[in-house]
Amino acid sequence: GAGVSQSPSNKVTEKGKDVELRCDPISGHTALYWYRQSLGQGLEFLIYFQGNSAPDKSGLPSDRFSAERTGGSVSTLTIQRTQQEDSAVYLCASSSYGQGNRYEQYFGPGTRLTVT
Amino acid sequence: SQQGEEDPQALSIQEGENATMNCSYKTSINNLQWYRQNSGRGLVHLILIRSNEREKHSGRLRVTLDTSKKSSSLLITASRAADTASYFCATTSGGSNYKLTFGKGTLLTVNP
Repeated sequence: GAGVSQSPSNKVTEKGKDVELRCDPISGHTALYWYRQSLGQGLEFLIYFQGNSAPDKSGLPSDRFSAERTGGSVSTLTIQRTQQEDSAVYLCASSSYGQGNRYEQYFGPGTRLTVT
Repeated sequence: SQQGEEDPQALSIQEGENATMNCSYKTSINNLQWYRQNSGRGLVHLILIRSNEREKHSGRLRVTLDTSKKSSSLLITASRAADTASYFCATTSGGSNYKLTFGKGTLLTVNP
């Protein structure tokens, strides 16, 4: 079946501009996660959505970062007024609750963001 | 912040040999997972071991967990060139079974 998809695969933007990154989780997965991978910081948790519960935003690095999940499916990560330190690969993952491997997260291919 | 720290940072072996990677972590965990990342397939879940388990097998993979030492090891037996990838351990802790805290990874190169 289809896996997690992300778009765009690459994004180059100028410092100060806003960007939106999109994630389509696996159909039926109720949990969705955003992570960031950079050379300096490794893989970092950003935000978690589970069903209709309030998201866990504890990993968002600043108030320039926000995310939403519409209709319990597609998610958008928005970075406002981008800075060079935001350059990284942004990974989305989803997982299914209520089944045996519910803690296994399925990752998308990522969006490589470069801020110039 | 990083919870797990893998060692070695890089490992190069010949096809057919076994590869062992280690992971240490700092706080009590709920479970520990190993993931593989390569350019072709992205980040892929390999195996999960719960805090009350000591050893788990999946195909050519063997994972051990020593909670007294806060460490885990991943053994890949009879390695293949296709096993070339970065391997990360990731833990969940506290009240969360979903927030993964990743280590910095081990880059494994399997030479044909």
